[in-house]
Amino acid sequence: NAGVTQTPKFQVLKTGQSMTLQCAQDMNHEYMSWYRQDPGMGLRLIHYSVGAGITDQGEVPNGYNVSRSTTEDFPLRLLSAAPSQTSVYFCASTMAGGDTEAFFGQGTRLTVV
Amino acid sequence: AQSVSQHNHHVILSEAASLELGCNYSYGGTVNLFWYVQYPGQHLQLLLKYFSGDPLVKGIKGFEAEFIKSKFSFNLRKPSVQWSDTAEYFCAVKVYNQGGKLIFGQGTELSVKP
Repeated sequence: NAGVTQTPKFQVLKTGQSMTLQCAQDMNHEYMSWYRQDPGMGLRLIHYSVGAGITDQGEVPNGYNVSRSTTEDFPLRLLSAAPSQTSVYFCASTMAGGDTEAFFGQGTRLTVV
Repeated sequence: AQSVSQHNHHVILSEAASLELGCNYSYGGTVNLFWYVQYPGQHLQLLLKYFSGDPLVKGIKGFEAEFIKSKFSFNLRKPSVQWSDTAEYFCAVKVYNQGGKLIFGQGTELSVKP
């Protein structure tokens, strides 16, 4: 039972570099999302997807891109990293209907220097 | 827009003290309610959830929460905390049948002194 798998766990980037955070789930969940966690601000929604081929912006989408080509995968791309993107990133998945809980990945701690 | 508010940002308790963490949300329709816990250096784990029925729900590790619809609240309680409860606690709301979007509170850091 893998659940939600995120890679990498840690990453250091230089300003201006690009990278992709990977997220995969094996529960056939329609809904997947990316959050960033910053001290005192809880988890803020970056982007989400309600199914393959469908994505939408969350609360803090600037500087991030996503795509959803399959049900299982939902990568998050940083095209040109900035120090303000230093954070801990969590991927989550859930069934889209009511009365369902979300499952979270282990998190990626990203530092942009 | 929907929002979730957690009243306490940092709570410090001694072992065996009772705990209550406040959570209020702003949405008038049907919601699913959750409390998640994050132990130091770890990912989020579900403590308990409310979907419908009995407004008093019990979760893991002796935690419980009460949903009071009239107050838009979902407070977390534990009668006697342990040092191992030191963690950050997040309240989250999902609007029923509007996809899987979770809205989180700011989090409450709980420190339990032995």
